Amino acid sequence: QLQLVQSGAEVRKPGASVKVSCQASRYGFDSYDINWVRQATGQGLEWMGWINPNSGDGGSAPNFQGRVTMTWDTSTLTAYMQLNSLRYEDTAVYYCARVDYHYYYMDVWGKGTPVTVSS
Amino acid sequence: QSALTQPPSASGSPGQSVTISCAGTSSDIGVHNSVSWYQQHPDKAPKLIIFEVTKRPSGVPDRFSGSKSGNTASLTVSGLQAEDEASYYCASYAGDNNMIFGGGTKLTVL
Repeated sequence: QLQLVQSGAEVRKPGASVKVSCQASRYGFDSYDINWVRQATGQGLEWMGWINPNSGDGGSAPNFQGRVTMTWDTSTLTAYMQLNSLRYEDTAVYYCARVDYHYYYMDVWGKGTPVTVSS
Repeated sequence: QSALTQPPSASGSPGQSVTISCAGTSSDIGVHNSVSWYQQHPDKAPKLIIFEVTKRPSGVPDRFSGSKSGNTASLTVSGLQAEDEASYYCASYAGDNNMIFGGGTKLTVL
């Protein structure tokens, strides 16, 4: 079973950037994208965007456009999500997930990376 | 792009059935059969329990079932068990490679 291993917790100041990684245990992305989802403490899930490991194509939710970059490193099977101009309200757990791009369901999830924005 | 609408809470006694609704629009649930449901226990990552409206991944008990009517999807948990106490989130494809989640429903087993 494919696993997604995420990087450790991060602390950043407002205005800074953070880059979270998500490494796959093996290749398994025929017909799949990598999506990023975040969850503030005590809140619901918020979809951030996607990247296709085969083409490198991607996109982000309107709330994050211009502030988030999603990339894929084929040599290490690692997805990255960089969020810029951090605000206090970006404090959350950030998850990566594998998504079937025909029927848009997330079948494999990483364990999450806590990001804290604090001065 | 507003979140799908779920009730914040639901409850039932062991052995009972509970249904959680997920209301969308004609741009997401109403037009796509790409509705999925996720179970999340505290401090854990979400887990897929229903995809393509009605399908269950291998290993998910058949006590969990999904359905859709118009712009609203539903998750039914039959024969409630203590371990079903968790938060449940619906999600739908919303076009242009976008996805959208519901606000989540906390299920309490009384």
